[in-house]
Amino acid sequence: GQNIDQPTEMTATEGAIVQINCTYQTSGFNGLFWYQQHAGEAPTFLSYNVLDGLEEKGRFSSFLSRSKGYSYLLLKELQMKDSASYLCAVRGGDDKIIFGKGTRLHILP
Amino acid sequence: EPEVTQTPSHQVTQMGQEVILRCVPISNHLYFYWYRQILGQKVEFLVSFYNNEISEKSEIFDDQFSVERPDGSNFTLKIRSTKLEDSAMYFCASSVQESRDTQYFGPGTRLTVL
Repeated sequence: GQNIDQPTEMTATEGAIVQINCTYQTSGFNGLFWYQQHAGEAPTFLSYNVLDGLEEKGRFSSFLSRSKGYSYLLLKELQMKDSASYLCAVRGGDDKIIFGKGTRLHILP
Repeated sequence: EPEVTQTPSHQVTQMGQEVILRCVPISNHLYFYWYRQILGQKVEFLVSFYNNEISEKSEIFDDQFSVERPDGSNFTLKIRSTKLEDSAMYFCASSVQESRDTQYFGPGTRLTVL
């Protein structure tokens, strides 16, 4: 079956760094997305990885290892507004996108 | 910055009624999608649409669902006979290309079936 696993909740302190992990088992792989979703709002795109390695975009970076079925999202210099759910989503070999359940990140002052 | 828009923001309907959820994708985008998110649960893919036909659909997208692009700008999701379990947030998304491209999500329509 197809599955995406990520921690349910994490807590971090303002100004710190946090890493949100995602592991996946899918039939084929055509890319991995990270989205941010504030409560009651739509997901917004953060990053896309299709090749192994690290993609950096400002305070956010995303890493992919296809051989391990593993990705992480790294958030630096955390701000209170980063309190949100972070969704890992994988486009499988059939091009359908499967979302994980999301990781709720709480930022403490 | 261009954005995906959806109407209505909230729809309340009686079980068994038909509903049409409307989306206006970003104008130069060619691929359109519908997702749903039941309260407290994960986002689920429903259907993708390209060149006036469905390109992929999930097991959720059964015969009670249909999509249409009635004109050059709107993209609609119709639920023929709503059930209580159809209550969810429905998100429309669009992208320029499919495989490698970012999908931009609309703000969603909250559907409540009574």
